[in-house]
Amino acid sequence: DQQVKQNSPSLSVQEGRISILNCDYTNSMFDYFLWYKKYPAEGPTFLISISSIKDKNEDGRFTVFLNKSAKHLSLHIVPSQPGDSAVYFCAASGLRGNEKLTFGTGTRLTIIP
Amino acid sequence: DAGVIQSPRHEVTEMGQEVTLRCKPISGHNSLFWYRQTMMRGLELLIYFNNNVPIDDSGMPEDRFSAKMPNASFSTLKIQPSEPRDSAVYFCASSPQGYGYTFGSGTRLTVV
Repeated sequence: DQQVKQNSPSLSVQEGRISILNCDYTNSMFDYFLWYKKYPAEGPTFLISISSIKDKNEDGRFTVFLNKSAKHLSLHIVPSQPGDSAVYFCAASGLRGNEKLTFGTGTRLTIIP
Repeated sequence: DAGVIQSPRHEVTEMGQEVTLRCKPISGHNSLFWYRQTMMRGLELLIYFNNNVPIDDSGMPEDRFSAKMPNASFSTLKIQPSEPRDSAVYFCASSPQGYGYTFGSGTRLTVV
């Protein structure tokens, strides 16, 4: 039972354009959401998060949007850069990250120069 | 701070052998998590500890898997006997109270 779903296994975007990665969840108890970025042969690293009391959180080129009624969140990267090529994992938690995180299956983003 | 340290980085073993993966969390972090990454299931939680006590092991696949945390600075994940379907990348992560995780670089396990 996949409670956090990333339905696009891969995405290719031209450098300079916007990358949009999507994530859906099924558990209404989730109230904190995170995005992690993973390069090959490295562990995932934290990118950006959002609490369920907000619908948007921005950090530089990265913005996360949360639509609670649709149980959907998205990560926008603009402008996309070659160094953004990585696997992106969406994750959810019942508390502010101090309990177990439930991860999606990941989306491999490739930025085309 | 050296971050979360996992060893070995790569492990190749024969089916039926015992495998032990090791993790040293960041000092001061009171939660430790073991995850397994596969193509089909992404990152799935196997077990997590809080203050060295196992809190949730519902993700441990079967009795062949066991995990221990004898002290705040060390944890092991053991597979005995190992099977080819256990081949995956195993990540350890640690977290201070109330904040997100820091992951180690992972152990790539191949069981032949």
